[in-house]
Amino acid sequence: GAVVSQHPSRVICKSGTSVKIECRSLDFQATTMFWYRQFPKQSLMLMATSNEGSKATYEQGVEKDKFLINHASLTLSTLTVTSAHPEDSSFYICSARDIAGYNEQFFGPGTRLTVL
Amino acid sequence: AQTVTQSQPEMSVQEAETVTLSCTYDTSESDYYLFWYKQPPSRQMILVIRQEAYKQQNATENRFSVNFQKAAKSFSLKISDSQLGDAAMYFCVFFSLLDGTASKLTFGTGTRLQVTL
Repeated sequence: GAVVSQHPSRVICKSGTSVKIECRSLDFQATTMFWYRQFPKQSLMLMATSNEGSKATYEQGVEKDKFLINHASLTLSTLTVTSAHPEDSSFYICSARDIAGYNEQFFGPGTRLTVL
Repeated sequence: AQTVTQSQPEMSVQEAETVTLSCTYDTSESDYYLFWYKQPPSRQMILVIRQEAYKQQNATENRFSVNFQKAAKSFSLKISDSQLGDAAMYFCVFFSLLDGTASKLTFGTGTRLQVTL
């Protein structure tokens, strides 16, 4: 089956630093990847849609200068949380849609970000 | 815009029993997909079952089946012979191809399922 990886799985950083999270589709190509944020005991909140070779599309209320997204290849998208603050602490999940068929998204295992 | 409603924040079922999770949605589209995803404590999202709106037959996957009522915009999940490993958060998810490759998933708020001995 289609596999999506995320790295790192956990990261702890100091306030004011930047953190990069990678999302990779391991056995398929993805022109579109999605980044979600999930607070404890809540549903997934879509942050942005990442398109290979073009700018990401951000959801309303998501600061594009704080959450930088780069989709440089058909198998890799990165989310950089810039100047992280404690309120950015959360669980971040990416998903990818297979270029061959777009009726299913495959999810990464998530990244737990803790900002001290 | 589409909305997905899960009215049961928490449910509990005894091992080996059957439980039904409810989901309703609202859309003006006629062609779409509905999914149930499971998120266990590991937080990995796992696809449980998928239903294409154009199919009248309800989808089944082993112990998991759905009751899809298109006119009523209802999409419930039935878990038979519940197992301890079924304990998880379950999300009802709507998807249409209206926006092509940029089409997004719309998530319900989730139902936390407990399985007791």
